[in-house]
Amino acid sequence: GIQVEQSPPDLILQEGANSTLRCNFSDSVNNLQWFHQNPWGQLINLFYIPSGTKQNGRLSATTVATERYSLLYISSSQTTDSGVYFCAGNQVGNDMRFGAGTRLTVKP
Amino acid sequence: DGGITQSPKYLFRKEGQNVTLSCEQNLNHDAMYWYRQDPGQGLRLIYYSQIVNDFQKGDIAEGYSVSREKKESFPLTVTSAQKNPTAFYLCASSGSGQETQYFGPGTRLLVL
Repeated sequence: GIQVEQSPPDLILQEGANSTLRCNFSDSVNNLQWFHQNPWGQLINLFYIPSGTKQNGRLSATTVATERYSLLYISSSQTTDSGVYFCAGNQVGNDMRFGAGTRLTVKP
Repeated sequence: DGGITQSPKYLFRKEGQNVTLSCEQNLNHDAMYWYRQDPGQGLRLIYYSQIVNDFQKGDIAEGYSVSREKKESFPLTVTSAQKNPTAFYLCASSGSGQETQYFGPGTRLLVL
């Protein structure tokens, strides 16, 4: 099955800093999502982005499907951005595969 | 409110006991999924169902069972055959295109 690699595994920022999280796939995917897992464990959908660029407030994401990677940008980070960020993807008819996540800590 | 609910929030299992985790959705989604998350790790698929009365095993189905008698409901039973059940269990659903998955709040299972 598809392997999903996320980097960095851990990231510590000061409030107000910007960051880029990366997700690499071992094969092409038709569906790709980014999630934020809050400290209580809830996974919140951030983006459905199999290709192209999307923005939602301080967050944006870009997927380069031909090169099998996706980037999540967080600008002007806030303490509420802390948590674990997961990317996941699949090919049609196959299971969604998750990366191991990037644990983000934003310090005040 | 539309969404996915899971119950209970915390569940304690005794040695040799079967326990059932509930997952209900009112999003009218065809597909439902169960994932297991161990501390510091990503999600692994246990079982999924794309339609009522049908389900398939995921990567780690051993020691688990499911049913899909109604579109809205996809309960997961952790059997006594699952020797290491302590984990965070997440239920998800998606439309028929298998695209965006939406997650419930999760159930933490602990062994006494």
